[in-house]
Amino acid sequence: DVKVTQSSRYLVKRTGEKVFLECVQDMDHENMFWYRQDPGLGLRLIYFSYDVKMKEKGDIPEGYSVSREKKERFSLILESASTNQTSMYLCASSSGTANTEAFFGQGTRLTVV
Amino acid sequence: AQSVTQPDIHITVSEGASLELRCNYSYGATPYLFWYVQSPGQGLQLLLKYFSGDTLVQGIKGFEAEFKRSQSSFNLRKPSVHWSDAAEYFCAVGAYNTDKLIFGTGTRLQVFP
Repeated sequence: DVKVTQSSRYLVKRTGEKVFLECVQDMDHENMFWYRQDPGLGLRLIYFSYDVKMKEKGDIPEGYSVSREKKERFSLILESASTNQTSMYLCASSSGTANTEAFFGQGTRLTVV
Repeated sequence: AQSVTQPDIHITVSEGASLELRCNYSYGATPYLFWYVQSPGQGLQLLLKYFSGDTLVQGIKGFEAEFKRSQSSFNLRKPSVHWSDAAEYFCAVGAYNTDKLIFGTGTRLQVFP
């Protein structure tokens, strides 16, 4: 069974902390994504990676960075967490074939206090 | 620019009633279209997808969707809703020449017994 695993379901962090959200996929997919989900706004793409060490900004990259050192792992980094980054974060992966379906992790609900 | 509109934020139906969730897209060429479902506290699961061919596509859990190019629509339907269908539903379009997905803002479905 295919799987995208996010390391934490719930996180509570303090303002100004550096936060790491980890995502691992076991499908040998080329593409990996980080989305942010907020009520009424749907899913917004933060960053996208189409290969190891390759990344591309999404629609809302400000305040975030990413790391992809290995094909199966894609990390989202909040350099200095702020309260407006309180949200649900969803990781996804897809194969390199154009527009195949994306597989999602269960999400990490991050609260910044 | 490509975009997806889900005009209904919240829909309530009785169990056993039929369901139609609306999705309109803006896209210059033949789109790749998807419907995902998100149960409470979970990630997104693919219900169905349209790439080409027959404009009526069947998905999991008894759902179907019809692609209508003339109306730029890809509405999701189910003839008889079950209480377990209560969830949030997202329509998405594959962005042109990339593997990114553009999501609508979602429709929350509530089912009454």
